[in-house]
Amino acid sequence: DSGVTQTPKHLITATGQRVTLRCSPRSGDLSVYWYQQSLDQGLQFLIQYYNGEERAKGNILERFSAQQFPDLHSELNLSSLELGDSALYFCASSVGLAGRGQETQYFGPGTRLLVL
Amino acid sequence: GENVEQHPSTLSVQEGDSAVIKCTYSDSASNYFPWYKQELGKRPQLIIDIRSNVGEKKDQRIAVTLNKTAKHFSLHITETQPEDSAVYFCAASRSSSASKIIFGSGTRLSIRP
Repeated sequence: DSGVTQTPKHLITATGQRVTLRCSPRSGDLSVYWYQQSLDQGLQFLIQYYNGEERAKGNILERFSAQQFPDLHSELNLSSLELGDSALYFCASSVGLAGRGQETQYFGPGTRLLVL
Repeated sequence: GENVEQHPSTLSVQEGDSAVIKCTYSDSASNYFPWYKQELGKRPQLIIDIRSNVGEKKDQRIAVTLNKTAKHFSLHITETQPEDSAVYFCAASRSSSASKIIFGSGTRLSIRP
């Protein structure tokens, strides 16, 4: 157990719908990352937050958005869902930032999203 | 842009033999190189990492080597066991607070009994 929690574990929804995925980082970690992993694919970086502020962005679609709240938990919002959005969504957390040598990421168990 | 190439994509070795996975990175400013193991349907788990001021690091049957000049780093698993079967991801990042970690595409390692 990495100490990173994600809810829900599984989510089944229909095309066009909107869902919210939630992540709680390890105690003391200020940085949260979101990744998408499609079937048999690698880890696609979506976005990073540090202490409530967006720090880095990957190939995140405009239909997707995220935020990190004052209690440091984060939510990933996926809207106008398409079949191709079906994937495992992982959240990871780290103590701090790469520039301070605190970048080791610990992953949560993931949320499996199925869009029908 | 930044890129990490990982080879091979699949690897099958006899139980007890060694396995080697290689990665090449493009950003010469990269200085942190973690390796993750992901079992089927589970989270990626950090198994070992190395920073650019070190050329090699070992942890029991696992070792990582780094060649900064060639921008290569490798994972070595000795005396492989069935529980080593998984997908392994290498990654690279640089010391910049706005920098993201770049993952390789993964290697599916199978251990033959």
